[in-house]
Amino acid sequence: GAVVSQHPSWVICKSGTSVKIECRSLDFQATTMFWYRQFPKQSLMLMATSNEGSKATYEQGVEKDKFLINHASLTLSTLTVTSAHPEDSSFYICSARKDVLRTEAFFGQGTRLTVV
Amino acid sequence: LAKTTQPISMDSYEGQEVNITCSHNNIATNDYITWYQQFPSQGPRFIIQGYKTKVTNEVASLFIPADRKSSTLSLPRVSLSDTAVYYCLVGPANNAGNMLTFGGGTRLMVKP
Repeated sequence: GAVVSQHPSWVICKSGTSVKIECRSLDFQATTMFWYRQFPKQSLMLMATSNEGSKATYEQGVEKDKFLINHASLTLSTLTVTSAHPEDSSFYICSARKDVLRTEAFFGQGTRLTVV
Repeated sequence: LAKTTQPISMDSYEGQEVNITCSHNNIATNDYITWYQQFPSQGPRFIIQGYKTKVTNEVASLFIPADRKSSTLSLPRVSLSDTAVYYCLVGPANNAGNMLTFGGGTRLMVKP
């Protein structure tokens, strides 16, 4: 099956620093990728839709200046958490679907961000 | 997007069949029903997708009644490794640009 890979799997950073998370579709092209955030014992919450070659679409309540999304190619989207704070500590997950009908979404393995 | 309602949690024992029901009363004509499985600290994984009646694959079966207002994921003979959160999602599958909206999910605990 198709593979979506995230890097890093986990990261610890200091408050005030920025962290970049990469999401790659390894064996298919994805014009659209999605970024989710998941807090412990909670469901996935969509943060933004990443569009190749154009600006990302952010969900209500998600600060676009804090969570920078770049979808520079058909196989790579990046999420940068800028000026991270402890409340940004969470599990970040990306997903993508092949650009054909009726296919399931493929998810990355997630990135555990801890801000200290 | 159609809202889904699932039990928050379920317990089962190894070797039993587990049925998880999802309600989606306002499902639209072009909506499909998809189930995902998520283990701790991992991204969700696709289990099965259907539109109506019954769908079966090597992992599970999905039962969808004629009115499509609910669906049931059936896991035959569960094992400890099936302990996970199971999400029912409803939405159109007509293009890759449609994001998935996750509900609360059902936390399944399989006991020895």
